[in-house]
Amino acid sequence: DVKVTQSSRYLVKRTGEKVFLECVQDMDHENMFWYRQDPGLGLRLIYFSYDVKMKEKGDIPEGYSVSREKKERFSLILESASTNQTSMYLCASSLSTEINSPLHFGNGTRLTVT
Amino acid sequence: AQSVTQPDIHITVSEGASLELRCNYSYGATPYLFWYVQSPGQGLQLLLKYFSGDTLVQGIKGFEAEFKRSQSSFNLRKPSVHWSDAAEYFCAVGGTDSWGKLQFGSGTQVVVTP
Repeated sequence: DVKVTQSSRYLVKRTGEKVFLECVQDMDHENMFWYRQDPGLGLRLIYFSYDVKMKEKGDIPEGYSVSREKKERFSLILESASTNQTSMYLCASSLSTEINSPLHFGNGTRLTVT
Repeated sequence: AQSVTQPDIHITVSEGASLELRCNYSYGATPYLFWYVQSPGQGLQLLLKYFSGDTLVQGIKGFEAEFKRSQSSFNLRKPSVHWSDAAEYFCAVGGTDSWGKLQFGSGTQVVVTP
């Protein structure tokens, strides 16, 4: 079974802090994604990566950056956290960019910015 | 632009009763449609998907969905709900040109009463 592991289940950070959310997958998947989940808004794509060192903006990239130095790891970075970034963050991976390649999700990181 | 609408934010159903969750989509090319389920504290799990062919697709946990091109709909159904089906359900759409990215709906929360 594919395992997507997000390093933290809960995080509490202060406004202005630099925040790192880490995600690791163990199945040699090419694609990795970061989504943000908010009530009533569903999942919105922040960034995705289809290869090491490659990244593409999703629908809501403002205030975020990403890093993918190794195939198995995809990090989401909040350069200066703000209260409107309080949310649930979900990482996902898929084998390839083919649409029939299913997404595998981690359990999420609930970030609170105070 | 692609979009997914789930008109029902919240549905309450009695255990043993039938369930239908609505999903309408807008997509410029041939849509690939998905239903995901998120149990409390968990990531999303794929229930079923539609790519082509038979418009009635079967998924895991006894769920099925019907694709109706004329109505731009992909509704999810289950004939008899179990208490363990209490969760949030997300419809999603993508295409062969989407690099594996999916557009998610806002979700429907299902509550199951005894």
